Amino acid sequence: AQSVSQHNHHVILSEAASLELGCNYSYGGTVNLFWYVQYPGQHLQLLLKYFSGDPLVKGIKGFEAEFIKSKFSFNLRKPSVQWSDTAEYFCAVNRVYDYKLSFGAGTTVTVRA
Amino acid sequence: NAGVTQTPKFRVLKTGQSMTLLCAQDMNHEYMYWYRQDPGMGLRLIHYSVGEGTTAKGEVPDGYNVSRLKKQNFLLGLESAAPSQTSVYFCASSPAYEDSNQPQHFGDGTRLSIL
Repeated sequence: AQSVSQHNHHVILSEAASLELGCNYSYGGTVNLFWYVQYPGQHLQLLLKYFSGDPLVKGIKGFEAEFIKSKFSFNLRKPSVQWSDTAEYFCAVNRVYDYKLSFGAGTTVTVRA
Repeated sequence: NAGVTQTPKFRVLKTGQSMTLLCAQDMNHEYMYWYRQDPGMGLRLIHYSVGEGTTAKGEVPDGYNVSRLKKQNFLLGLESAAPSQTSVYFCASSPAYEDSNQPQHFGDGTRLSIL
C-alpha cells in the first residue's frame, strides 16, 4: 500500500512570508499527484495537480508545486502568503489507472495578519 | 451548479442507533467515494463505487455499508453506530478517465457525533 507523508503538522506564518509544504509518497510506480485545500468550515478544493509533463505545476491563488521523481516528492510553494491562505492543506496520490486516492495527514497553515 | 451535495450536515446519534448519509452529484460522474476525516489522519477511504450497482471496500470499511442504486446517489449506512465512528464524513465523485488523473469533487461534509 502506498503512503503519503506530509512533514509539517502545523505551520504558522506572517503575511507576505513564503510557504513551502513538503509531501513525500512511498509508491514507486507512475503516479498522479494532487494538492487540495480545505478552508475553515468548507469542503476540499483542488489547488493543483500533476500527472505528466513539466514537473513544475502552477495552480490557483498563486500556488505552485514541484514534482521531483527521484525524491518521491511533490512540495507545495507560495512566494507570499495572505491571511486568506489560512487553511488545511492535503497532499494526495494515486497510481495511474487506480482512481483511489491516498491522502496525507494534512498541514494546518495559519497566517497571521 | 450544485456539484456534490451531502445530507444531513450535522447529526448526533446514540450508540447502537442506525442512520444513512446521502450523497448526490449532478455532474454525471461514474465514480463516487465516501471518506472519513479525523484529526491528524487526513482522509481515509471507507467505500467507493465505480458505477451504478457496484460498490467496493476502501481502507476502513468496517461498521459501514453502502449502496449505489442510481448513478447520481451514493448512500453510506451505519447499522449500529459506535463512538469510534464520530467523525466528519465527506463524499466525493470523479469522472472515469483512463489515466485516473481527474480530480475528485467533494461535498461539504457531514459532522457526525456518536454519544
